[in-house]
Amino acid sequence: NAGVTQTPKFQVLKTGQSMTLQCAQDMNHNSMYWYRQDPGMGLRLIYYSASEGTTDKGEVPNGYNVSRLNKREFSLRLESAAPSQTSVYFCASSEALWGRREQYFGPGTRLTVT
Amino acid sequence: KNEVEQSPQNLTAQEGEFITINCSYSVGISALHWLQQHPGGGIVSLFMLSSGKKKHGRLIATINIQEKHSSLHITASHPRDSAVYICAVRDNYGQNFVFGPGTRLSVLP
Repeated sequence: NAGVTQTPKFQVLKTGQSMTLQCAQDMNHNSMYWYRQDPGMGLRLIYYSASEGTTDKGEVPNGYNVSRLNKREFSLRLESAAPSQTSVYFCASSEALWGRREQYFGPGTRLTVT
Repeated sequence: KNEVEQSPQNLTAQEGEFITINCSYSVGISALHWLQQHPGGGIVSLFMLSSGKKKHGRLIATINIQEKHSSLHITASHPRDSAVYICAVRDNYGQNFVFGPGTRLSVLP
């Protein structure tokens, strides 16, 4: 099993460009999450999907959109990138929502917006 | 006030030392997680607990629900334990999973 995979691993964008971060899991998990991690700060939740067909905003959703394409895949889109979105993005999945089951994390995508 | 706080922020230890990392939180929770982030950036879940104590190898996690406090202990520390250790809780009153800022541990040979 590959676990949680993310693409790309690194990306540099110019302000105003758009891109989609891809995430897939092969553990048949119901719930998936997108986090960002900034230097000196804890991980912060951007969006989550409790189950296939549902998505909800987290703590810092502005500037992002998500799609739960199917049970395996959960993508994060930046429509018009801004320097404030420079961060490391982690996708995660879990069998059940939130703290009832442990979360499995992808390797992260390091995004720089210039 | 941050919902989840950790101490110390940074910790340097000699190989073989017993290490304790603390986590305190201000809200009611359903479960608390301890995560390890490797120097390369990968994040691994170590423990999920809602009461008592759990042990896995040289790692022990405890939680005191009444005092809203959890500790992660590492016995016989080793340089490969060098990582950032993160505490996270699910807030009973919100739809969020809140992370602490992390404790950076360096174990010297």
